[in-house]
Formats: sequence, structure tokens, C-alpha cells
Amino acid sequence: SQQGEEDPQALSIQEGENATMNCSYKTSINNLQWYRQNSGRGLVHLILIRSNEREKHSGRLRVTLDTSKKSSSLLITASRAADTASYFCATPAGANSKLTFGKGITLSVRP
Amino acid sequence: GAVVSQHPSWVICKSGTSVKIECRSLDFQATTMFWYRQFPKQSLMLMATSNEGSKATYEQGVEKDKFLINHASLTLSTLTVTSAHPEDSSFYICSARVSGRGQRSEQFFGPGTRLTVL
Repeated sequence: SQQGEEDPQALSIQEGENATMNCSYKTSINNLQWYRQNSGRGLVHLILIRSNEREKHSGRLRVTLDTSKKSSSLLITASRAADTASYFCATPAGANSKLTFGKGITLSVRP
Repeated sequence: GAVVSQHPSWVICKSGTSVKIECRSLDFQATTMFWYRQFPKQSLMLMATSNEGSKATYEQGVEKDKFLINHASLTLSTLTVTSAHPEDSSFYICSARVSGRGQRSEQFFGPGTRLTVL
């Protein structure tokens, strides 16, 4: 079953604008991860935020985590056309901490 | 570092044949590897967890006799789609977790294999 649910499902913005994507999950987690996937390619790990962290930065990325609301957001600042991709949140659970992925958000950045 | 490769990157086969996909961790050892499949415009669905030296653990609804997984070494896991049918056409992605860093360490993903069954 899907653990993470992202919204919006599709987002189209102009280059230079900020993009905010949200993810909600259902069960308790010890971390939440965000991945990017370019069309027809594998996944690239962007950032991991632990359950005891509220905010984390990596370059133009900012991730927040609200465990009380079971939600996370990914902010990409000053977007570029190269940021066009699908973005997934994922949470580990169960034996082997296997990842459960959300449905993904398709981000299109117009040059 | 932490590079995962898959071979082949794409394959077209006839219905009824078997196809083997390799997943390799190039610069690290991976006790645990994961196999996912992804249909167009959909998310990744975990198929099975591959553990070196032991049997794979399959997710509910995944036929273990159809999707054979072998994790013979710390750097290689293979997925064999047996008697492939058109509905098996999908994008298959593997990931590997670095050994020795516990179950909470991140996974590194391969580039995926596009399987088309005619």
C-alpha cells in the first residue's frame, strides 16, 4: 500500500520561481526521504530528514518534517529547467527498512 | 561513490522467453538489494528484498516462481523474469543499501531496465 502521498500531482512553474511539494504519510517513521527521477531513468536520492529533525537544507533544497501532522514538504528555490522531473517521497518501514514510495509529483519548469 | 549499475538498460523479448536483469553495486558491498517495478507515470512498487546468501523476501502478490531473484555475492543481484508475457512489460529498478551501516542507511538506485515483451 502507498505510505506517502504527494501533492500536487503535477506542478508547472516558470524558471526562477520556487516549487513546493508536499508529502503526507500514515504510520510512524524514523526518517523520510525525497528522490528525483528524470523521465525513464533511475532515482536520485536528494535528501533524508530524520524524525527528530524539523528542517534540513541542501543547496537549493529545503525539506521540512512535521511528525504531528505526518507531513513533509520539499521546497526547490530558484528553479531551473533542469529541475524538471518527478519527485517522490519515501519512508522506510518494516523488516529491512524497505522503502514505500508515494505516487510522485511531476514538476515542469518552463525556461 | 555508491554507484549501482543495471544491465541491460533495455531489452525486448518474445512472449514466453525468460529475461535476466543484473544489478551491481560498483564501489561498495550490499548485503541487501531491492527490486522495484514501475509502470508508466506511476510510482515504484517494491517487488522483493534480496539478501546475500539467503532467499529473497517477496511482497504480497508477487509470484516468486515468475520473478526469480538470486543474490550470490555482495555486489550482484539478478532478477529473472521467467516465461515473460506482455503484461510483464515495465521499468524494473534495483537499489542497494550499503553493508554495515544498518537498516536506516539510504538506498542507492540503479538506472533501471526497460523490459518490453512482444
